[in-house]
Amino acid sequence: LAKTTQPPSMEAYEGQEVNVSCSHTNIATSEYIYWYRQVPHQGPQFIIQGYKDYVVNEVASLFISADRKLSTLSLPWVSLRDAAVYYCIVTDMGGRALIFGTGTTVSVSP
Amino acid sequence: EAAVTQSPRNKVAVTGGKVTLSCNQTNNHNNMYWYRQDTGHGLRLIHYSYGAGSTEKGDIPDGYKASRPSQENFSLILELATPSQTSVYFCASGRTGGASAETLYFGSGTRLTVL
Repeated sequence: LAKTTQPPSMEAYEGQEVNVSCSHTNIATSEYIYWYRQVPHQGPQFIIQGYKDYVVNEVASLFISADRKLSTLSLPWVSLRDAAVYYCIVTDMGGRALIFGTGTTVSVSP
Repeated sequence: EAAVTQSPRNKVAVTGGKVTLSCNQTNNHNNMYWYRQDTGHGLRLIHYSYGAGSTEKGDIPDGYKASRPSQENFSLILELATPSQTSVYFCASGRTGGASAETLYFGSGTRLTVL
């Protein structure tokens, strides 16, 4: 499984766009990129997944570099509810359990 | 939305005692997982299961047993609890298949304190 590197923390104000980067330089061709987030006192929650290019859903967008070694999760117009730990996970469909690192703690101020 | 329910939400146990953490999912997912979360370590995988009757060791299985008596239920058992097992435990379920790896659905966690 490819190792991922994320910044440990980020800060933002309400209404700003937040971009959380994730480096996965050893990503294999069979692997996908997943993002989860965890708010205090709850389990992680799936946000978005992608393989290449650009993916968007109602919560976030995901940009993946052409060589797939870097991905960026974009959260538009963050609110206080978006304050959470964001995890980037790279894995394939081999059925192995997801491995969570320490993620990126995003703080949002009014 | 997938539903995963853990019980109890909080538990205080004594060293050497037996602790059972329960997890129930109502979405007919094949796979279920137990993770623990400690400050600075993210989530670490303890045991998982691919279906009723099966259990597999994760990355940190020592001191833990697991039981999957049915599709819906997955328990984590600490036969002889120790203070080092004080942590927050999360259960998750997911379904394999499709064009990519499964999406996991997590419960709200059980906070275990071993005195």
